[in-house]
Amino acid sequence: GDQVEQSPSALSLHEGTGSALRCNFTTTMRAVQWFRKNSRGSLINLFYLASGTKENGRLKSAFDSKERYSTLHIRDAQLEDSGTYFCAASSGSWQLIFGSGTQLTVMP
Amino acid sequence: GGIITQTPKFLIGQEGQKLTLKCQQNFNHDTMYWYRQDSGKGLRLIYYSITENDLQKGDLSEGYDASREKKSSFSLTVTSAQKNEMAVFLCASSMPGQGDERLFFGHGTKLSVL
Repeated sequence: GDQVEQSPSALSLHEGTGSALRCNFTTTMRAVQWFRKNSRGSLINLFYLASGTKENGRLKSAFDSKERYSTLHIRDAQLEDSGTYFCAASSGSWQLIFGSGTQLTVMP
Repeated sequence: GGIITQTPKFLIGQEGQKLTLKCQQNFNHDTMYWYRQDSGKGLRLIYYSITENDLQKGDLSEGYDASREKKSSFSLTVTSAQKNEMAVFLCASSMPGQGDERLFFGHGTKLSVL
């Protein structure tokens, strides 16, 4: 069965507001990565975490291996943040298991 | 930095045709991957390779072949294209076990089968 459950599947935000995306894991994962699919269809790597939290500008991600979840927080959302966000987690070295994605729409 | 180049960007095939997708990376990464993305779904792993001439099957390997001719290139073959099939194929690379294990993607090859 699915090992990575991503929510919500779709999210609408007004500019300047924030929210969080979440991925729950059905098994212990070694690391998590977060990606954004840009307007050209490319997947851009946002974060890689083996534990703890990382912050980059208006984005912040956390990963708790023991509690089996990861989050991606977006604050002060801008129009260019719109896109599809994916989490992906690895229990071993080679294979990443992807969530089904969150389609984020930022509205004026 | 580096780049992953996928060719072609768009591929139109006929039912039953054998189709080959190519991928080149200049990160000097050991591991390369082929993923398939269908609309509204997450990425599913077709094949991966941990070094030159190595091949490992992913969850979706049936109907595909792959070849890691050299460290920098990884090709994927659709052995018999299915009618009305539409998907995006994404190539990626990483360096597991070396500290920075981020996965980097190419821009994708969009397949349409008539």
